[in-house]
Amino acid sequence: QSALTQPASVSGSPGQSITISCTGTSSDVGTYNYVSWYQQHPGKAPKLMIYEVTHRPSGVSNRFSGSKSGNTASLTISGLQAEDEAEYYCTSYTGSSTYVFGTGTKVTVL
Amino acid sequence: QVQLVESGGGAVQPGRSLRLSCAASGFTFRNYGMHWVRQAPGKGLEWVAVISSDGSNKHYADSVKGPFTISRDNSKNTLYLQMNSLGPEDTALYYCAKDDFWGRWDVWGQGTTVTVSS
Repeated sequence: QSALTQPASVSGSPGQSITISCTGTSSDVGTYNYVSWYQQHPGKAPKLMIYEVTHRPSGVSNRFSGSKSGNTASLTISGLQAEDEAEYYCTSYTGSSTYVFGTGTKVTVL
Repeated sequence: QVQLVESGGGAVQPGRSLRLSCAASGFTFRNYGMHWVRQAPGKGLEWVAVISSDGSNKHYADSVKGPFTISRDNSKNTLYLQMNSLGPEDTALYYCAKDDFWGRWDVWGQGTTVTVSS
């Protein structure tokens, strides 16, 4: 159950688009389409942003989108806004009802 | 409104036990699987355990398998995490989360802090 690999930090200017990668293995991301993304502001609980690779819960801005290719999933934030500055975590189902989180990515809005 | 409220955290010495609770409200608790997720100070999220809606299936992260036990009481709308043989590595903020479907964890509590130190 090794953590999925994410870049430690990603930054962008307001209005730009950024992409956060989440690299796993053929035992998790590569096999299952149960990849989710969570946003966490300091001192707050995580918030679901994307589930099942590409689906957005109601209430989440359509500026957030997800995709997957092989063993790597990605979260793209378009039209970056100051409120998007937070930590982002991916998670994947790993089989046998177990899950693993990514290492986390700090998004900075310049 | 839909809500999860954790409790039971605190400061304990290594080797001791602690039981966390997560009280659910605003949704039909017995219909959903539930998870525990923890976050060590300044660190990332770590999945800990899951229990099925009826409590019959339980699964754990390798890091807690053995000392930790997840359980639930659907008559009380409450999720539990029994933590035995605690070590400093278990120091973390513990969240409970509602599993809407396959990793779609749509409701989270605010967490309860566990500190293991001599």
